[in-house]
Amino acid sequence: DIEMTQSPSSLSASVGDRVTITCRASQSINSYLNWFQQKPGKAPKLLIYAASSLHSGVPSRFSGSGFGTDFTLTISSLQPEDCATYYCQQSDSTPLTFGQGTKVEIK
Amino acid sequence: QVQLVQSGAEVKKPGASVILSCQASGYMFTGYAIHWVRQAPGQRPEWMGWINAANGNTKYSQKFQGRVTITRDTSATTAYMEMSSLRSEDTAVYYCAREERFSSGWYQGFDLWGRGTLVTVSS
Repeated sequence: DIEMTQSPSSLSASVGDRVTITCRASQSINSYLNWFQQKPGKAPKLLIYAASSLHSGVPSRFSGSGFGTDFTLTISSLQPEDCATYYCQQSDSTPLTFGQGTKVEIK
Repeated sequence: QVQLVQSGAEVKKPGASVILSCQASGYMFTGYAIHWVRQAPGQRPEWMGWINAANGNTKYSQKFQGRVTITRDTSATTAYMEMSSLRSEDTAVYYCAREERFSSGWYQGFDLWGRGTLVTVSS
């Protein structure tokens, strides 16, 4: 199974800050990497697919990059509604696997 | 309205089985695969398996092979997930999610999710 490791596990930042979350795969997954946002009691929401493609309706302050084993999710200007847990997920091979999550809070 | 509507919460005793449903509406059911993902309290989501809604083909995580069966009823536009031999560690929210294909099918992502069904396994 491909293991996905995120860092940091949590972070606290101010409104307007640039926030970066990293995700590392235990083996190369090319660009088969998705990012999700999950708020408490809600289902995950797709933000980014194919490592860097913004899903329809997602604000442009979200962006993704990376290839192979190392990936990043960036929020260019953190907004209060971005408080959530963010997960990366590989879609290269089954079993599909998720990172352990990064909880983003407002300072 | 494009949505996946999941069945209600379940409380089961260890060793029992549970069947969860996921009814699709607002889109062509047979045009998309449906995946099942569970999430235990405070844990990361865990992929369980998927079904091709058009032909019924399935694939399961090895972890759940033999204990989970995913089926679908195209006339009811509903997918089902049956899990047997439940144990306390199976307590989780179970989600169904639609698989969208992007970039001419090269990439996939879960673009539509149900609200989840809480399954509690307790004696």
